[in-house]
Amino acid sequence: DTEVTQTPKHLVMGMTNKKSLKCEQHMGHRAMYWYKQKAKKPPELMFVYSYEKLSINESVPSRFSPECPNSSLLNLHLHALQPEDSALYLCASSRGETQYFGPGTRLLVL
Amino acid sequence: KQEVTQIPAALSVPEGENLVLNCSFTDSAIYNLQWFRQDPGKGLTSLLLIQSSQREQTSGRLNASLDKSSGRSTLYIAASQPGDSATYLCAVIYGGATNKLIFGTGTLLAVQP
Repeated sequence: DTEVTQTPKHLVMGMTNKKSLKCEQHMGHRAMYWYKQKAKKPPELMFVYSYEKLSINESVPSRFSPECPNSSLLNLHLHALQPEDSALYLCASSRGETQYFGPGTRLLVL
Repeated sequence: KQEVTQIPAALSVPEGENLVLNCSFTDSAIYNLQWFRQDPGKGLTSLLLIQSSQREQTSGRLNASLDKSSGRSTLYIAASQPGDSATYLCAVIYGGATNKLIFGTGTLLAVQP
């Protein structure tokens, strides 16, 4: 298995909702990442997990809460989001230096 | 501040042409540089990774070069095809305990049949 999967593909949520994004890989990679990508912009790093521990938080608002329950799974819990949080959320994993990206979750906050 | 810029922002070429995409970075102390491809609304596909000690990498019709001292990288695509149409992103890593990628602004490529 050489891919990173993300669910759901699309998500529409209101500003009072709580939802979660899921990312999974079975390549034995011990580093996993969340990126946010706005339209026509490059991805921006949000969080990095290394060996299931949070190693980088790029000053992301607390309404985004990451979780790494095990070495294959990475979640991003969403609560009280704003319309400006609408974006493509990308997950990636790596063992060495090459990062492998999932297809992303397209999030729309109404 | 570490910034990565790509020129041109958009490029349209007829099928069969050879083309060059450019990437420049302000801090030359990079650990390595990656080129990615992104299709509309999709995730990123890694194309090539160049270590800071290397000058170039090749994969099929793609050739990436790196001039670390001048803060530049180029992606050369030979004999372009309509299937090459996508956004191409370069990204640099400055080392450290984790692989923090800093992405360039991207080049949107359209290859006309």
